[in-house]
Amino acid sequence: EVQLVESGGGLVQPGGSLKLSCVASGFTFTIYPMSWVRQAPGKGLEWIAAISGVTGMTYYADSVKDRFTISRDNSKNTIYLHLNSLRAEDTAVYFCAREGITVASFDYWGQGSLVTVSS
Amino acid sequence: DIVMTQSPLFLPVTPGEPASISCRSSESLLHINGYNYLDWYLQRPGQSPQLLIYMGSNRASGVSDRFSGSGSGTDFTLKISNVEPEDVGVYYCMQALQTVITFGQGTRLDIK
Repeated sequence: EVQLVESGGGLVQPGGSLKLSCVASGFTFTIYPMSWVRQAPGKGLEWIAAISGVTGMTYYADSVKDRFTISRDNSKNTIYLHLNSLRAEDTAVYFCAREGITVASFDYWGQGSLVTVSS
Repeated sequence: DIVMTQSPLFLPVTPGEPASISCRSSESLLHINGYNYLDWYLQRPGQSPQLLIYMGSNRASGVSDRFSGSGSGTDFTLKISNVEPEDVGVYYCMQALQTVITFGQGTRLDIK
């Protein structure tokens, strides 16, 4: 059974940093691209970052570029999202999602991790 | 970035009746390989999103055949043949043609 479990969320002050983790199980993690998608309270879905499987190429939305970093450790079946220079508008539930191999769709999602940026 | 526009934003439906959601993209989502890179997701209250339809018209594994997707290029439609209470939630279209992925605003479906 495919599972994605996020952790690391919490309350952080504006300008602060946080690291989210997403541990995957139930599939050959190495070959799958992975993404982070966030959802501000009461708002819609926003894709923010992706990382390819084997090569580890990364892609970012303009809203987080140069502040957030996506990475992966294939030996631990884990992807990370390093959040720096946090702003109030970064407050959201952060989901990790698996992208299909043959189709560019998010076929599995984690349960989400809440990040609150407030003083 | 490709802008995705859904309508309507709110959709009250009587159980057993059909429902339809439109999604338009600011650029064609038709890849040279002949596939449209357009997905539909449902986010039920308090849950993570789930994939319903991929590549415009393909039902994801385990998705009821009451759901169908159609369209090509810039205009797409999600249809639900007979709405059931379990269909309540927010429906999103998403384009994956470009590396910068974008979602529609979401359509909230409620039961009358």
